[in-house]
Parts: sequence; structure tokens; C-alpha cells
Amino acid sequence: DGGITQSPKYLFRKEGQNVTLSCEQNLNHDAMYWYRQDPGQGLRLIYYSQIVNDFQKGDIAEGYSVSREKKESFPLTVTSAQKNPTAFYLCASSYRLQGAGNQPQHFGDGTRLSIL
Amino acid sequence: AQSVAQPEDQVNVAEGNPLTVKCTYSVSGNPYLFWYVQYPNRGLQFLLKYITGDNLVKGSYGFEAEFNKSQTSFHLKKPSALVSDSALYFCAVTVGGKLIFGQGTELSVKP
Repeated sequence: DGGITQSPKYLFRKEGQNVTLSCEQNLNHDAMYWYRQDPGQGLRLIYYSQIVNDFQKGDIAEGYSVSREKKESFPLTVTSAQKNPTAFYLCASSYRLQGAGNQPQHFGDGTRLSIL
Repeated sequence: AQSVAQPEDQVNVAEGNPLTVKCTYSVSGNPYLFWYVQYPNRGLQFLLKYITGDNLVKGSYGFEAEFNKSQTSFHLKKPSALVSDSALYFCAVTVGGKLIFGQGTELSVKP
């Protein structure tokens, strides 16, 4: 079945540590996205990518980094500069960048990150 | 600023009764509008979308939504609620190639 796989499901970060969240899709989608979800705040866009080797900052990119070396993969690194990383992180993809295409985004089941 | 608002943090409905989850938006131009549902510790699932055309849009699991341009609203509706509809619902609008989400509405359907 086609879909988006996020791993791990739960992740713990120590002070001063960088951690990387994995996101893989087999939907042959061009566009991929990372969101952060906090209770009562909806989803906020961290980074997005329209195509391989290209990515753009979203609304809350500080303290995060991404890469897009393969169409299928869009890993997110939460750096030590992100002082409040505890949240639920969601990866999504769409056939094209939302707006350029009107297809919905498909979401993975998320990674819950906590500070030790 | 372009935004999406869901004025109710929580909606409580008895099983079998109709339900409405409200959404209003503030964007320039003609928006693409979406509803998603999220079950605990899961990702979002697409329910329905409005792009153009008929103002009443039908989606998955018996849900529908009514687009009202003059009121800039896109309310989600279902004629008869099920206990299994209990979840977190998000309205979203496309702006400049990106989705902007409302803060979510927790729907609770009691037997």
C-alpha cells in the first residue's frame, strides 16, 4: 500500500543533542512537508520541499533543518538550538505543491518528541 | 493576515443527532478549502475539499461541507453523528502554495 512512513514513533532528546526524524513516502509525490503540532495550536509549517534538492522555510523553521536528496525521503533534524522541541511532528506529501495543485496532502502517523 | 478560524474548541453531540463543526477563513482571492480528521496519536486524514463549483461538497464517511463565499465560511456537517466520529477536526485553506490550518475542534459524540 502506498503511504507515508514516519519513524520512530516516539523519540527522546537529551540537552544539547541533535535528533533526526525520518519520513519516507512511496506515493511518487513531488512535494513534502513537515509540521509541528502543539495542543490547541493546530499545525504549524516547519519546512517544505517542492522537488528534490530544493526546500523552503515555513513559519517556524528556527532550530530545525531538512534535506531532500531523494524524492522519497525528507528527514527533519531537530537541533540543540530548538529550545522547546517537545511536540508531535507530522510529515506530509502531495502530488504537487499545494495551491499549484488542488490535491490533498497525505500524512504520516507522526513522531512524538520529548525532552529527557 | 490570512487565517483560518475554528471558533469552537469542542463540540458535543448525541449519537444520531446532526453535527456541525464551524470554520471561517480570511484569505484573498479564491481559496481551496479542506477538512481533515485526526484520531489520537495518528496523522491527519483527508475528508473533503472545495475547489470550485457546487457550494455543497460531499466527502468521506458521510460528511459534507457548505461553502459560503459571502460569509467566508466552510462548515462541516453530518446528518446523523456516530460515536466513532469522535475525533479532532481541522479546517485548512491553501495560501501561496501552503496550507494554513485552524486550531482544531474536538468533536465528542456520546451514545
